[in-house]
Amino acid sequence: KNEVEQSPQNLTAQEGEFITINCSYSVGISALHWLQQHPGGGIVSLFMLSSGKKKHGRLIATINIQEKHSSLHITASHPRDSAVYICAVSKGSEKLVFGKGTKLTVNP
Amino acid sequence: KAGVTQTPRYLIKTRGQQVTLSCSPISGHRSVSWYQQTPGQGLQFLFEYFSETQRNKGNFPGRFSGRQFSNSRSEMNVSTLELGDSALYLCASSPNGRPEAFFGQGTRLTVV
Repeated sequence: KNEVEQSPQNLTAQEGEFITINCSYSVGISALHWLQQHPGGGIVSLFMLSSGKKKHGRLIATINIQEKHSSLHITASHPRDSAVYICAVSKGSEKLVFGKGTKLTVNP
Repeated sequence: KAGVTQTPRYLIKTRGQQVTLSCSPISGHRSVSWYQQTPGQGLQFLFEYFSETQRNKGNFPGRFSGRQFSNSRSEMNVSTLELGDSALYLCASSPNGRPEAFFGQGTRLTVV
């Protein structure tokens, strides 16, 4: 079993829909990261969480430390949100352990 | 502040050759980590350098090596390239003692 599990693996939505991507982890962590990767490769860090909830524009990330679970929500989705979203955890050092990613496609 | 810079962006090499990739971290960041991304395995940790010392190492063969210079710039080297080394190689820099990670655009290596 991977230390970081994401669901769903693939997600297709219509423009305007509310989207949720889930991440579960099985180890103690110092922080959880949500990353975005567009075709072409570059990775952008969206959020780093150690507790609670963070919001940036239409993106919201939450984490429940007791349940070892995090969610990334996108409100009013747009085709430009189409990307791979990756959950990663830090385990006390700078080394990251990654989920397999969720490929999101938002159709106009 | 400039972001993490990786060079080159694209590289094509032949089996058996060796390759060196470069990563310049964000100014002031002393930790640099390297990751390999392939379609089959996803993102995997290669190694991490801090103040010119390798602090962590992933589960990769000895053909993969790295180093860090006094200005925190890092290089990774892959010797005796194999077809399976074709991947996107990403580096990330982190402020000392903090789990934030800032990624470069990656170097896409194709081995033919």
